[in-house]
Amino acid sequence: EDQVTQSPEALRLQEGESSSLNCSYTVSGLRGLFWYRQDPGKGPEFLFTLYSAGEEKEKERLKATLTKKESFLHITAPKPEDSATYLCAVNNAGNMLTFGGGTRLMVKP
Amino acid sequence: DGGITQSPKYLFRKEGQNVTLSCEQNLNHDAMYWYRQDPGQGLRLIYYSQIVNDFQKGDIAEGYSVSREKKESFPLTVTSAQKNPTAFYLCASSLTGAHTEAFFGQGTRLTVV
Repeated sequence: EDQVTQSPEALRLQEGESSSLNCSYTVSGLRGLFWYRQDPGKGPEFLFTLYSAGEEKEKERLKATLTKKESFLHITAPKPEDSATYLCAVNNAGNMLTFGGGTRLMVKP
Repeated sequence: DGGITQSPKYLFRKEGQNVTLSCEQNLNHDAMYWYRQDPGQGLRLIYYSQIVNDFQKGDIAEGYSVSREKKESFPLTVTSAQKNPTAFYLCASSLTGAHTEAFFGQGTRLTVV
């Protein structure tokens, strides 16, 4: 059974304090790892797709990396507007998405 | 503007009643999905459809039903058989059935009163 575990569950940062969110996974035949951002009461917003170990993608202050067992979402010099829940999901050989529980990020000015 | 529209945003239902949540997309995507999200938890797949007139059960399909008569529309009915229907419901679509870059609607919050 595919599993996705995100840590920490919640993370408080000061504005400008860089950090990383972790997504550990076990999946039968990875066909993609996805990162989403979700604001309260809204639907998830797509951020990145990673397909193979060693792949990296960047968008503004966010950088996602992938290994064979985990993915990291690095946040460089975060701003209060980066506060949200970040979701990780894996797509397996059966084309089914399994989501982690998310990391709730709070960035204080 | 292209996107996914869910309606209504908030829905209240009395126990024992069926209720239907709407999901429409104008992205010309083949695949559509329904997820349920409970507080502090990840998304769980209810049903998905990779093509018109075809759909499959996800992990938590009991108490729910769907139809896919048109490519643009994938309504979800929460039946009275669903024991704990209060939740945040999210509809998504992707270009193909491979879940590639799924795009989500803004969600419907269902409350049973």
